[in-house]
Amino acid sequence: EVQLVESGGGLVQPGGSLRLSCAVSGFSFSNYWMSWVRQAPGKGLEWVANIKQDGSEKYYVDSLEGRFTISRDNAKKSLYLQMNSLRAEDTAVYYCARGRHTTGGYFDYWGQGILVTVSS
Amino acid sequence: DIQMTQSPSSLSASVGDRVTITCRASQGISNYLAWVQQKPGKAPKSLIYAASNLQSGVPSKFSGSGSGTDFTLNISSLQPEDFATYYCQQYNNYPITFGQGTRLEIK
Repeated sequence: EVQLVESGGGLVQPGGSLRLSCAVSGFSFSNYWMSWVRQAPGKGLEWVANIKQDGSEKYYVDSLEGRFTISRDNAKKSLYLQMNSLRAEDTAVYYCARGRHTTGGYFDYWGQGILVTVSS
Repeated sequence: DIQMTQSPSSLSASVGDRVTITCRASQGISNYLAWVQQKPGKAPKSLIYAASNLQSGVPSKFSGSGSGTDFTLNISSLQPEDFATYYCQQYNNYPITFGQGTRLEIK
């Protein structure tokens, strides 16, 4: 059974940092693109970042302005999102997802999500 | 960036009905279009990829069509568990973008 489990969320002050993790099981992690997608309270889905199987390609939504970094550890079957200089507008549920297609462009499995709240 | 526009934004229907949700891309995306279902408080669930291909385990009551800029999601014989929010999503180009969602409610 494919499972993706996010952790590392919580309350952080504006300007602070947080590192999200996503532990996967049930599939060969190193063979897949991986992604982060977020959803602000009461809002729609927003793609955040993608990373290729070997980490050699990474893509981000423009609005992040270089504040977030996606990474992975294939040996640990884990995906990460380092979030720096957090703003109130980064408050959202963050989902990790398994990417499909040549550029990991659509998502066939999703984690349950983890809430990040940026507030003083 | 490619903008995805769904219509309607909300839709009321009855159990047993058939409904159609439309998604339009601001430029051509071939068939690189996915549909996602989300129930309140739950993670999204993938339904369709490449405009018309059902994800494994998704019932055939869901169907998708379209190419280029115009796409549709059809859901037949609505059941209580189908009432949810549906999003289209393009993956022709980065950044990947989602439609604003269509909320399907019970009439």
